[in-house]
Amino acid sequence: SQQGEEDPQALSIQEGENATMNCSYKTSINNLQWYRQNSGRGLVHLILIRSNEREKHSGRLRVTLDTSKKSSSLLITASRAADTASYFCATKNTGFQKLVFGTGTRLLVSP
Amino acid sequence: EAGVVQSPRYKIIEKKQPVAFWCNPISGHNTLYWYLQNLGQGPELLIRYENEEAVDDSQLPKDRFSAERLKGVDSTLKIQPAELGDSAVYLCASSLGGQGSTGELFFGEGSRLTVL
Repeated sequence: SQQGEEDPQALSIQEGENATMNCSYKTSINNLQWYRQNSGRGLVHLILIRSNEREKHSGRLRVTLDTSKKSSSLLITASRAADTASYFCATKNTGFQKLVFGTGTRLLVSP
Repeated sequence: EAGVVQSPRYKIIEKKQPVAFWCNPISGHNTLYWYLQNLGQGPELLIRYENEEAVDDSQLPKDRFSAERLKGVDSTLKIQPAELGDSAVYLCASSLGGQGSTGELFFGEGSRLTVL
């Protein structure tokens, strides 16, 4: 079963624009992670935010976490065609060692 | 450093045939995962190993799926017999594991199975 739901399911933007995708989850978490998956490839870890953190940055990525609303957002600034991929949030739930993935957002960045 | 290696990358079989997937995790990673990914969906955990012990196999359909991780390194996932609904991508991942681990996973490229 999948823990998170991501919104939107698909997003199409132009190069240079910002892309925002959201993730909602259901249970208490230790941390939340975002992964990228290019078509036909495996998933690549992007960024991790702990439950006691509210915002984190890594390069062009900005992640926020609101544990009261059980939601997170991933912002990609100044997007590039190479950012075209599916993006998944994954939660490490309290008391469990496994990651549970969301349904993903498919991002298309057009030149 | 080599990443997680999976083989084969693609496999096409007829229903009721057996199939096996192999995974070599990153050296030193004690925790190994097999995930199933259906088209347009996120990965779903099938089984998790801590060293050679399967510590979470609650989502593994044990009537037809089996897995092993001999010597706590490489792992194989087997399906016998395969059904049409097993067509999917089978992803292997590894992590450092243990109490100090944040849970970041390193994935292989996946094995795409098509059952005809």
